[in-house]
Amino acid sequence: NAGVTQTPKFQVLKTGQSMTLQCAQDMNHNSMYWYRQDPGMGLRLIYYSASEGTTDKGEVPNGYNVSRLNKREFSLRLESAAPSQTSVYFCASSPNNEKLFFGSGTQLSVL
Amino acid sequence: QKEVEQNSGPLSVPEGAIASLNCTYSDRVSQSFFWYRQYSGKSPELIMSIYSNGDKEDGRFTAQLNKASQYVSLLIRDSQPSDSATYLCAVMGNEKLTFGTGTRLTIIP
Repeated sequence: NAGVTQTPKFQVLKTGQSMTLQCAQDMNHNSMYWYRQDPGMGLRLIYYSASEGTTDKGEVPNGYNVSRLNKREFSLRLESAAPSQTSVYFCASSPNNEKLFFGSGTQLSVL
Repeated sequence: QKEVEQNSGPLSVPEGAIASLNCTYSDRVSQSFFWYRQYSGKSPELIMSIYSNGDKEDGRFTAQLNKASQYVSLLIRDSQPSDSATYLCAVMGNEKLTFGTGTRLTIIP
């Protein structure tokens, strides 16, 4: 049982480059989330999707876009990476918008 | 004022003692409260949830909620070195889950 799978685990970008973080869950959950975690800042919600076909902004959406491709997959795109986007990114899914199951995280560095 | 506040620590507790982790929240309409544990370099995992005032026990863990004081705590009895981790408090209100910044706990053998 894979749970929530994120790729890649590590990524280094140059300022201005673009990339997409992939996330897939096999638990048939309706809700999916993207968080970033920075030292001293805790987990901050970037975007979430309550169901297939819907997405909503979270606390820190600027500089990001998302796609809920189907019930399983929720991707996060950085169109023009900035050093301020250096962070650890977590994807999560939930059956009830309360208990979250997290992926293993992506450590992103933007130089 | 932050919506969910925790002391960042580090909190050091001798092995076998009780570790007490605290969290306060600002939104009075919050209904659901959670504790996540995060080992260094790993993702958070849910260890406790509590919805009503009082205590909820699960093994060595006890969550305590006081809605009047807007306060939720986590007690870990008989602390073990494997309990060394960062503990994140999360509060659900208005369909939004907000995390605190976490308290780093170290259990000293």
